[in-house]
Amino acid sequence: EAQVTQNPRYLITVTGKKLTVTCSQNMNHEYMSWYRQDPGLGLRQIYYSMNVEVTDKGDVPEGYKVSRKEKRNFPLILESPSPNQTSLYFCATKGIGGDRNTEAFFGQGTRLTVV
Amino acid sequence: AQSVTQPDIHITVSEGASLELRCNYSYGATPYLFWYVQSPGQGLQLLLKYFSGDTLVQGIKGFEAEFKRSQSSFNLRKPSVHWSDAAEYFCAVGPPYSSASKIIFGSGTRLSIRP
Repeated sequence: EAQVTQNPRYLITVTGKKLTVTCSQNMNHEYMSWYRQDPGLGLRQIYYSMNVEVTDKGDVPEGYKVSRKEKRNFPLILESPSPNQTSLYFCATKGIGGDRNTEAFFGQGTRLTVV
Repeated sequence: AQSVTQPDIHITVSEGASLELRCNYSYGATPYLFWYVQSPGQGLQLLLKYFSGDTLVQGIKGFEAEFKRSQSSFNLRKPSVHWSDAAEYFCAVGPPYSSASKIIFGSGTRLSIRP
């Protein structure tokens, strides 16, 4: 079964305490991306990766880091979380190239609260 | 600039009534178009997509959408809504080529169903 798995699903943390949200996919997709969802703002892209060791900033990258050491994994790192990073985060993947440039597949989301 | 506009933040319809959710986009070329649904506490599920060809596309759960190039619109419709359709709906656009696969989302329309 095609899956995008995020962990954890829920996380409450304190300001400044480093955290990592993991994302793993089993579809052999080249493209992976992180979004944050906030009321009234829809989904905004944080970072994306076109392939292993290739990452780039999205629309709201400040305060986040990512890495892509393996094709299947794309962790999101908050080195020093702040309350304005309280949000719902989604990992997404899609194939690229030829007829594989189709829809994105999403994880179940990670609800992060920074106090 | 590339953008997606969903002008209705929140819509309430009666069960059994028809539904139309509006979506307008701004893009340099005709993009790929998507509608996603997000049920409470869930990730995003693809309802339907348009790449080319017939401008009326059918999706899952009885939804359909019509692409109108002249109006840069991709409105979602359903002839008779069910209580289980209560969710948030996102319109999205993606590039019609494989090299840059960013998907841009609208801010979403929350659908409530009146019994």
